[in-house]
Amino acid sequence: QKEVEQNSGPLSVPEGAIASLNCTYSDRGSQSFFWYRQYSGKSPELIMSIYSNGDKEDGRFTAQLNKASQYVSLLIRDSQPSDSATYLCAVIGTAGNKLTFGGGTRVLVKP
Amino acid sequence: DAGVIQSPRHEVTEMGQEVTLRCKPISGHDYLFWYRQTMMRGLELLIYFNNNVPIDDSGMPEDRFSAKMPNASFSTLKIQPSEPRDSAVYFCASRHGQLRYTFGSGTRLTVV
Repeated sequence: QKEVEQNSGPLSVPEGAIASLNCTYSDRGSQSFFWYRQYSGKSPELIMSIYSNGDKEDGRFTAQLNKASQYVSLLIRDSQPSDSATYLCAVIGTAGNKLTFGGGTRVLVKP
Repeated sequence: DAGVIQSPRHEVTEMGQEVTLRCKPISGHDYLFWYRQTMMRGLELLIYFNNNVPIDDSGMPEDRFSAKMPNASFSTLKIQPSEPRDSAVYFCASRHGQLRYTFGSGTRLTVV
């Protein structure tokens, strides 16, 4: 079992719709969770971090965490073509400083 | 703030040659991480340093890979000898508190 798992996609959404991305992790003691966006040929860029159960909103992005289910999600509201990218879920587990990434979900927003 | 600086941006080398990738972290950041990204395996952590000391190198694939951090502003990742399966994008990232990792632009390595 991979430490962090994501559906590879592509997730195709029409412009203006909500994109919903999911991530599961195996280390039950994990405390810190992140979503990165990576455009093709570019480096990962942090868009959200979440540390406690519940929802966290930042602009058009909402991260959701459920530690009991070992599940993290990201919602992108009012999706724009510029949101087309690969979204990487990342987790810091009980080992401490190691940031472990999922394989990423490719999102395509169609005008 | 110039961000994390990596060089070179692209490297093409022949199998068997030595390759050295370079990274300058953000000033004041006390953690430095080397990652490798491929289509098949995604982003993998190779090694990380804290205050210039290697803490965890369990992700280094084999003895052909080595990393050093002689001072707080410079780190190298060396592959000797290189093999075609080492072809990937290598990212350096640095961090100071707050768990915010900043990635460099990456080095795209092609071994032919």
